[in-house]
Amino acid sequence: EVQLVQSGAEVKKPGESLKISCKGSGYSFTNYWIGWVRQMPGQGLEWMGLFYPANSDTKYSPSFQGQVTISADESISTAYLQWSSLKASDTAMYYCTRALNGLTYFDTWGQGTLVTVSS
Amino acid sequence: QSALTQPRSVSGSPGQSVTFSCTGTSSDVGAYNYVSWYQQHPGKAPKLMIYDVTKRPSGVPDRFSGSKSGSTASLTISGVQAEDEADYYCCSYTGSFIFPYVFGTGTEVTVL
Repeated sequence: EVQLVQSGAEVKKPGESLKISCKGSGYSFTNYWIGWVRQMPGQGLEWMGLFYPANSDTKYSPSFQGQVTISADESISTAYLQWSSLKASDTAMYYCTRALNGLTYFDTWGQGTLVTVSS
Repeated sequence: QSALTQPRSVSGSPGQSVTFSCTGTSSDVGAYNYVSWYQQHPGKAPKLMIYDVTKRPSGVPDRFSGSKSGSTASLTISGVQAEDEADYYCCSYTGSFIFPYVFGTGTEVTVL
């Protein structure tokens, strides 16, 4: 069974750093783009970025360029989304999702990681 | 890249057909047959319902169908059921080298 399993909920203070994870199983991790999507409370879905493990190609949505870093460790089939200095406005649910290279839809989604940033 | 425009909400009685739109531009929805639709129940992750405008993944009921005309894509639920009550988001490929996808604003489907 293809699965993306994300790390658990986080509560952080403004200015702190954070790295959340998304572990793929049941498929060849290298051959699929991993996308990260933000959903702020009561709001819609927003693309943050994409990462292709086979060659580390990374694309950031202009709104998130410079705000987050996307990476992956192929050896453990895990993708990461990290912040160096969180803000209260980063409070949201974050989803990872996958797309086979060459295709244009996202067929499997992680369960989401809730990040709460509050002083 | 601006979000694709969807109606905020639609409703229908059980068994009725419900159709709602996803309007983009000639650079995204109008340029490519790569529109996908995602269903999201409250507190749950999105689920792929339609891809490449009209195709249904295995396991998605055939009452869900997609179409496109010009820069507007549509999702139809033929014979809406109580379990279809959810938020629905469209997504289009844009061909942009900077970032190639854009979501719609989302539509809340209510089953009366």
